Amino acid sequence: QSALTQPASVSGSPGQSITISCTGTSSDVGAYSLVSWYQQHPDKAPKLLIFDVTIRPSGVPDRFSGSKSGNTASLTISGLQAEDEANYYCSSYTTVNTVVVFGGGTKVTVL
Amino acid sequence: EVQLVESGGGLVQPGGSLRLSCVGSGFTFSSHWMSWVRQASGKGLEWVANVKEDGSEKYYVESVKGRFTISRDNAKNSMYLQMNSLTAGDTAVYYCARGQSRPSCSGGICNNWFDRWGQGTRVTVSS
Repeated sequence: QSALTQPASVSGSPGQSITISCTGTSSDVGAYSLVSWYQQHPDKAPKLLIFDVTIRPSGVPDRFSGSKSGNTASLTISGLQAEDEANYYCSSYTTVNTVVVFGGGTKVTVL
Repeated sequence: EVQLVESGGGLVQPGGSLRLSCVGSGFTFSSHWMSWVRQASGKGLEWVANVKEDGSEKYYVESVKGRFTISRDNAKNSMYLQMNSLTAGDTAVYYCARGQSRPSCSGGICNNWFDRWGQGTRVTVSS
């Protein structure tokens, strides 16, 4: 069982917006603004989309945005595109048994 | 261009050992935290271990403590993962990942995201 809880799947039509939630605890997501999001296409390495809750690395489209409220972080993809179909993982710094914990991943399907 | 290339994966029997390597190029290797992250087939990501820029601090996920050792050789732009007492649960693709550059920071909190990843090396533990 992953330390952070994500929905198994989310879907949307091209052009729509979708939001992926990532629920942790007061030992990780709730305690620190150190949530990151990664995109992984099949058989590819993960790619960093968001770090420190809201910051996009250079080159990441502004269609991707992050937020946090309490123990839950969220990734919003606006203007969904076919290329956004992938698995998405959240992660957070934690003080319980490890340093970084990941969510179980969310498969995004573009209808 | 930043590149990370892993090697050393393969098939090993339960209880055996394996040493993974990661070579970085296109950036100042010695200025970044480095990590190993693994992914079992069809499963999610699991952070395994990281090492500070100068090798002075190392952190591990609880499940590998006492069995795995992370190290780095900045003169060779390389990071390593020595894996001992391997079990079937260690079967996964192991990714090398670049972390933050925070030389004045101390503690596990200093590296919590990874902005470049290698393509991974597959480790299979089976008899």
